[in-house]
Amino acid sequence: NAGVTQTPKFRILKIGQSMTLQCTQDMNHNYMYWYRQDPGMGLKLIYYSVGAGITDKGEVPNGYNVSRSTTEDFPLRLELAAPSQTSVYFCASTLPFAGENTEAFFGQGTRLTVV
Amino acid sequence: AQSVTQLDSHVSVSEGTPVLLRCNYSSSYSPSLFWYVQHPNKGLQLLLKYTSAATLVKGINGFEAEFKKSETSFHLTKPSAHMSDAAEYFCVVILYNAGNMLTFGGGTRLMVKP
Repeated sequence: NAGVTQTPKFRILKIGQSMTLQCTQDMNHNYMYWYRQDPGMGLKLIYYSVGAGITDKGEVPNGYNVSRSTTEDFPLRLELAAPSQTSVYFCASTLPFAGENTEAFFGQGTRLTVV
Repeated sequence: AQSVTQLDSHVSVSEGTPVLLRCNYSSSYSPSLFWYVQHPNKGLQLLLKYTSAATLVKGINGFEAEFKKSETSFHLTKPSAHMSDAAEYFCVVILYNAGNMLTFGGGTRLMVKP
């Protein structure tokens, strides 16, 4: 198992450009999440999904869009990049029930700079 | 309402002294609880987890945490701090009465003085 894979690891965008952050998991997890982490801060939830075809807003969704066409993939789209979106982005996945194997798996992060 | 609270945003200890990082949660059901560590400019590494088995959980690098249902707490401890323990620590909860959502505490920055 590869776990949660995020691409790219680093990206520099110009203001107004768009991009998609990719997130894929191979553990058949129902729940997937996108977080952003600003310097010296905790993680804030952008969007989450409880299964294919179902997405919902988190704490800071403005400026982002997501889709969940398959269980494996949960891409995050930035349509018009702004300097305020400079951050490190983490994707995560979990199973929706308790158990010995319950764990939150995280991608390695995408460091995005908007200039 | 805050579902998981890390009671200290910063903790400073001397090398060789004990570490205590505090975490409280609010839930009507027994949650799954995790501690993650994040070193500067790095990703999130799982230290330990509680998933309804033993209430005293041992993790990597000498860390432990005890689940106390009566106190709704999951505090992280280590008997003797090492310089390499300096990092950000996150208490993370899956609350099974709140849509089974993964919820982060605000983080605690641990500083270790020589």
